[in-house]
Amino acid sequence: GAGVSQSPRYKVAKRGQDVALRCDPISGHVSLFWYQQALGQGPEFLTYFQNEAQLDKSGLPSDRFFAERPEGSVSTLKIQRTQQEDSAVYLCASSLTVSGRLYNEQFFGPGTRLTVL
Amino acid sequence: AQTVTQSQPEMSVQEAETVTLSCTYDTSESDYYLFWYKQPPSRQMILVIRQEAYKQQNATENRFSVNFQKAAKSFSLKISDSQLGDAAMYFCAYRLGDTDKLIFGTGTRLQVFP
Repeated sequence: GAGVSQSPRYKVAKRGQDVALRCDPISGHVSLFWYQQALGQGPEFLTYFQNEAQLDKSGLPSDRFFAERPEGSVSTLKIQRTQQEDSAVYLCASSLTVSGRLYNEQFFGPGTRLTVL
Repeated sequence: AQTVTQSQPEMSVQEAETVTLSCTYDTSESDYYLFWYKQPPSRQMILVIRQEAYKQQNATENRFSVNFQKAAKSFSLKISDSQLGDAAMYFCAYRLGDTDKLIFGTGTRLQVFP
């Protein structure tokens, strides 16, 4: 149906609080990505799912960051004990098939702006 | 490691004129993709144009075209007949041919004046 959706659009958390950010990919898309975009910067890769399998989590900045996609559709990015440096826009993207030699466009959601006070 | 550099934090152009945004990248790979994304204030990344490294011909999409210089590792975006709606952040991005990660530059803010 519609594009990638993310919720909430804005989240304010007190330092030390846990947060959960949700991503609804385009229906039927196999691949799902999370990126972190700090103010004035380009997005940086966090993690990648192929269906429910998390194949790459090399970009997660610390063990306080955890992502899941249990049924291969909706994904949740959880940040425990938030710190001020976690303040950023968190972007989710999905693509139709598995990558490889052929190009698969990533479609982005509007992001969640997280502010940690 | 692959890196993407955008040396122009801000650019401005008058409506109907042409503007070129610069991007350089560093890689030791021979097979990869390059992209330009537009990010308006709504924050949603929109793909503008893509280029496969193995193609010598420069990609074109309507008013948008690229100048891909593989040996120089340069990938600039030319916007012709600029419109007010082109005002946004533009990000150059690199994708290794057999992976799914996108590596982005720091962006160029484009302003369009009437």
